[in-house]
Amino acid sequence: RKEVEQDPGPFNVPEGATVAFNCTYSNSASQSFFWYRQDCRKEPKLLMSVYSSGNEDGRFTAQLNRASQYISLLIRDSKLSDSATYLCVVNMRGPNFGNEKLTFGTGTRLTIIP
Amino acid sequence: DTEVTQTPKHLVMGMTNKKSLKCEQHMGHRAMYWYKQKAKKPPELMFVYSYEKLSINESVPSRFSPECPNSSLLNLHLHALQPEDSALYLCASSQAVFAADGGETQYFGPGTRLLVL
Repeated sequence: RKEVEQDPGPFNVPEGATVAFNCTYSNSASQSFFWYRQDCRKEPKLLMSVYSSGNEDGRFTAQLNRASQYISLLIRDSKLSDSATYLCVVNMRGPNFGNEKLTFGTGTRLTIIP
Repeated sequence: DTEVTQTPKHLVMGMTNKKSLKCEQHMGHRAMYWYKQKAKKPPELMFVYSYEKLSINESVPSRFSPECPNSSLLNLHLHALQPEDSALYLCASSQAVFAADGGETQYFGPGTRLLVL
């Protein structure tokens, strides 16, 4: 089982629709969770950090379910500018302090269609 | 300001060349990272520096040599690379490797696109 697993897509969604992505992680000791977006040939940019039970930022809502070990991202009223690859990222704690590192999912490609 | 800068933006080098990638941040972050990203793949961690000391080396070949001269700078020295090393090299920084309240959130630089001929 992959450490962080995402549906690679692609998701082709009409403008204005709502789209949701799920991501599962294997390490139950994981402490922090993030969604990054990455545009073609650009660097990943932080979209949202996800702590405790989840959080909302405008049209974006992230949820965390520790019992089932998944996080989700919901995008409402999607815009053309939302077209990007969305990376699910988990901070995995290693066996020794100091071995924590981000583990990336493979990313979900989203295209918003006019 | 969450800016991480990287130079150069693009680099073409031969297999016998020696070159260096540079990364800089002035956010007071004490953790810095090098990642390698191939097309249509997620970033792969290469090295982690915490308080200017190498804390993680993800079994990277010795032709890649990281250096952290001070808390704001991170270099990646390249020597005798192979064509399969062509990729986007991303630098990132965070307040700490692991911290509460978002201190471990990583911010990425724009990357150096490397082509090895």
